[in-house]
Amino acid sequence: DAKTTQPTSMDCAEGRAANLPCNHSTISGNEYVYWYRQIHSQGPQYIIHGLKNNETNEMASLIITEDRKSSTLILPHATLRDTAVYYCIVRGYYQLIWGAGTKLIIKP
Amino acid sequence: EAEVAQSPRYKITEKSQAVAFWCDPISGHATLYWYRQILGQGPELLVQFQDESVVDDSQLPKDRFSAERLKGVDSTLKIQPAELGDSAMYLCASSLMGQGNTGELFFGEGSRLTVL
Repeated sequence: DAKTTQPTSMDCAEGRAANLPCNHSTISGNEYVYWYRQIHSQGPQYIIHGLKNNETNEMASLIITEDRKSSTLILPHATLRDTAVYYCIVRGYYQLIWGAGTKLIIKP
Repeated sequence: EAEVAQSPRYKITEKSQAVAFWCDPISGHATLYWYRQILGQGPELLVQFQDESVVDDSQLPKDRFSAERLKGVDSTLKIQPAELGDSAMYLCASSLMGQGNTGELFFGEGSRLTVL
């Protein structure tokens, strides 16, 4: 299963767009990119996933590069409640392999 | 909205004691996962069930950990004896489908274990 690389931490101003990058250069053709987030002391929460095309839902947008070696999660208007650890995961056939994620801090 | 239920929310135990965690997945979800999450790290899969069958327990320390899902619904994860290094958050998740699919995982709030 492919692995991902994310920055350890990022800051973003409240009301601005938060752009969280993820590198998955060894991703295979049938592996999906998933994003979850984990607010302190809670279980992870699903955000979005995609294969090739860009995806958008009520929470976020996912931009996947054409070569699929990297992606960006976009929170369009970040709020203080978006402060969390964000995990980018490449989902293989068997399971999700989690890294340490990006600690996103939204500042007022 | 349906949720994954876990109990207890917090557990403090002494080294060498037995401890058990319970999980009730979302109704109709065939796949159930137990994860362990050490502070500052991402979740690590311990065991995955498809209905009542174990499909992956390769990372489960079988000398002290056991997991069961007898009727394919709720599940119990047991540790006996507990060791200091077992202190972690134990997360349960469920999904509608199993391997090789794009099913979203729904997580419970977790059970935080502290071993003294």
